[in-house]
Amino acid sequence: EIVLTQSPGTLSLSPGERATLSCRASQSVSSSYLAWYQQKPGQAPRLLIYGASSRATGIPDRFSGSGSGTDFTLTISRLEPEDFAVYYCQQYGSSPRLYTFGQGTKLEIK
Amino acid sequence: QVQLQESGPGLVKPSQTLSLTCTVSGGSISSGSYYWSWIRQPAGKGLEWIGRIYTSGSTNYNPSLKSRVTISVDTSKNQFSLKLSSVTAADTAVYYCARDRENWNGERAFDIWGQGTMVTVSS
Repeated sequence: EIVLTQSPGTLSLSPGERATLSCRASQSVSSSYLAWYQQKPGQAPRLLIYGASSRATGIPDRFSGSGSGTDFTLTISRLEPEDFAVYYCQQYGSSPRLYTFGQGTKLEIK
Repeated sequence: QVQLQESGPGLVKPSQTLSLTCTVSGGSISSGSYYWSWIRQPAGKGLEWIGRIYTSGSTNYNPSLKSRVTISVDTSKNQFSLKLSSVTAADTAVYYCARDRENWNGERAFDIWGQGTMVTVSS
């Protein structure tokens, strides 16, 4: 089973700043199967990025994803007040057919 | 647009079976190449994938839960369901249903989620 480790656990930044969130896999992950989600309190997760770097429908272009192999990054270029939330990376493994999530990074207002 | 809605008891006794249903609206559960998944989240914790089903009835389960999980689909009702047997307090969580989409490029993600339903296991 592939384990995803996200860092940092908590990131404290101010609106307007740049946020860089990391997701490291215990073994190589297909970029096609790496996604990022945003979750706000009391809400379901929302798909931000799929295929490691493709933005989902309606996602602002300040959100970008990059990486390959075992290291992936979610970048928010200029933080807006509504961006403060918890972010999860997720991968799909084909053998066994299993989805796993990282433990999450909490992005909080400094 | 497609929407998902979970339903089921909010309280289940230990050792009993948790049963939830996800109703798909705004589109047919059988259209397109989608799997339909269940995911859960204990309070204050991360997300755990439980399993998924294709409209043909083909399923995949998380190995950690496989012995207790059954996911089924009823295309006539546009619904899919989760049964989790022998529950304990550790199964207390918000349960989400989600659409598992694979696009033309082979990229896969959960693109639509239900709002989630809280299930507490307690006597």
